[in-house]
Amino acid sequence: GIQVEQSPPDLILQEGANSTLRCNFSDSVNNLQWFHQNPWGQLINLFYIPSGTKQNGRLSATTVATERYSLLYISSSQTTDSGVYFCAALDSNYQLIWGAGTKLIIKP
Amino acid sequence: GAGVSQSPSNKVTEKGKDVELRCDPISGHTALYWYRQSLGQGLEFLIYFQGNSAPDKSGLPSDRFSAERTGGSVSTLTIQRTQQEDSAVYLCASSFFTGRAFFGQGTRLTVV
Repeated sequence: GIQVEQSPPDLILQEGANSTLRCNFSDSVNNLQWFHQNPWGQLINLFYIPSGTKQNGRLSATTVATERYSLLYISSSQTTDSGVYFCAALDSNYQLIWGAGTKLIIKP
Repeated sequence: GAGVSQSPSNKVTEKGKDVELRCDPISGHTALYWYRQSLGQGLEFLIYFQGNSAPDKSGLPSDRFSAERTGGSVSTLTIQRTQQEDSAVYLCASSFFTGRAFFGQGTRLTVV
């Protein structure tokens, strides 16, 4: 099956900084989704992005399916952005394969 | 409903007892996933339902775990003869076919 790898595993930033999180996948995927798990454990779907670029406020995501990676950009970070960011790719069996996550801490 | 709903939010049970966890997916969603997450860890896949197809049970860790989905809607995850290592947060997600997946708030299971 496909492998999904995220980097970096941990990221500590000062409030106001920008960041880029990366998700690599080992084979063709049917779609790619980004999630944020807040410190209380709730998982929020940020983007459904099989290809191309999408923006939602301070967050944007780009998936280059032919090169098997996706990027999540966070601009002007806020403390509420802290948590774990996961990417998940849908494989040929229509099963979501998850990365291990990037733990982001935004310091005030 | 407006979102994925899981119940109970918290469950404390004695070792050896059976527990049932419930998931109400978003109305009309065809796919339903169960995951388990231990503290500080990633998501561990348990089982996947898609419409009327046979479920993918490949993630169930032992035969003590089973799940049903009735009428293509509500799902129940049952753990028999619970063990301390079953303690975790159990998460349910639903999607319309292979579209965006939305999660419930989870059930925190503690086996004492």
